[in-house]
Amino acid sequence: QVQLQESGPGLVKPSQTLSLTCTVSGGSISSGNYYWSWIRQPAGKGLEWIGRIYTSGSTNHNPSLKSRVTISVDTSKNQLSLKLSSVTAADTAVYYCARARGGYNRYYFDYWGQGTLVTVSS
Amino acid sequence: SYELTQPPSVSVSPGQTASITCSGDKLGNKYACWYQQKPGQSPVLVIYQNNNRPSGIPERFSGSNSGHTATLTISGTQAMDEADYYCQAWDSSTEDWVFGGGTKLTVL
Repeated sequence: QVQLQESGPGLVKPSQTLSLTCTVSGGSISSGNYYWSWIRQPAGKGLEWIGRIYTSGSTNHNPSLKSRVTISVDTSKNQLSLKLSSVTAADTAVYYCARARGGYNRYYFDYWGQGTLVTVSS
Repeated sequence: SYELTQPPSVSVSPGQTASITCSGDKLGNKYACWYQQKPGQSPVLVIYQNNNRPSGIPERFSGSNSGHTATLTISGTQAMDEADYYCQAWDSSTEDWVFGGGTKLTVL
């Protein structure tokens, strides 16, 4: 059974960089045809896909976040990380990591972390 | 960018059938999936690739996708099904994942 656990600071100051880690257990982050993604959800609002990294290391991100997103993997620690730069109050949300599987054009998120709340405030 | 539209809310009586729609341009040509999210919890996949149920999801959950609309159907709705439901699809033009805005299902 794959499990994902997000961790990181719960409070980030405006203009700084938000940094989160997702630790994967029950399977290797570097094997299989999976995408590892970050998704966020502001309080009372819907889900927003942030970006993804494939097991090969290739990445994509939501263009609405422009170039503020960096996603990487540390295979030695079986961890996924997210960095979001120049944060504002609009980046306050619960951040989830999730695994996607299914193949081209038919991916779906089968495992999710429990989420971690990040508040952007001075 | 590709958009998926869901009704903000749907109400259903216990034991009845609930239908939640998700609309997008030529959505029937894509694969849709559905997530259930209860308050304070992470989303849970209930339907993938239009009409497949993951292991552990009750048979009362089913899905369809045709034309411009995907539909999540819950037959014999139970009080425990009260939750927010999100559809999701892949935008092949940008290779981005897109979520619908979510539908709050009330069982009353």
